[in-house]
Amino acid sequence: NAGVTQTPKFQVLKTGQSMTLQCAQDMNHNSMYWYRQDPGMGLRLIYYSASEGTTDKGEVPNGYNVSRLNKREFSLRLESAAPSQTSVYFCASLRDRVPEAFFGQGTRLTVV
Amino acid sequence: QKEVEQDPGPLSVPEGAIVSLNCTYSNSAFQYFMWYRQYSRKGPELLMYTYSSGNKEDGRFTAQVDKSSKYISLFIRDSQPSDSATYLCAMSLYNFNKFYFGSGTKLNVKP
Repeated sequence: NAGVTQTPKFQVLKTGQSMTLQCAQDMNHNSMYWYRQDPGMGLRLIYYSASEGTTDKGEVPNGYNVSRLNKREFSLRLESAAPSQTSVYFCASLRDRVPEAFFGQGTRLTVV
Repeated sequence: QKEVEQDPGPLSVPEGAIVSLNCTYSNSAFQYFMWYRQYSRKGPELLMYTYSSGNKEDGRFTAQVDKSSKYISLFIRDSQPSDSATYLCAMSLYNFNKFYFGSGTKLNVKP
């Protein structure tokens, strides 16, 4: 099993550019999440999706949009990238009935 | 005030030492308490979790929860260089659909 797969692994954007981070899981999990991780800040929740067709804002949603395309895929879009969005982005899915989240390898995004 | 506070370290110990990692929290409604381990340039992975108060042991790792003090701990016995990583505590309400993470403690176990 691949688990949670994120693409791309690395990206450099110019201020104002847009991009979509892709995430797919093959564990048939209902809940999926997007986090950002910054030094000294831990993991902060951007958006989450409790099931196919639903999405909710997390702690730091401004500047981002998400799409739960189907049960497997949950994408994160930056419409107009800003240097403050330089971070490592993690996608995760949550095992049903057990508080175990499975994380992807992360996307290292730099906005210049 | 952040909902979950964790000392960022770094914490450096010799191989074989007992390590104690801690978190405090402010929300008394938290029911699930988790410890994740994150190796450099990797995603976090679940180490262990406890529900409500009490202790849980898994090999060299012991998790403790003291809800009266809003304090959780992770103990690592006979620490190994392979334990060198960042340890993140996380908490959630009874429905665990959202996790609240600490900032992580970076641990270095020296051979």
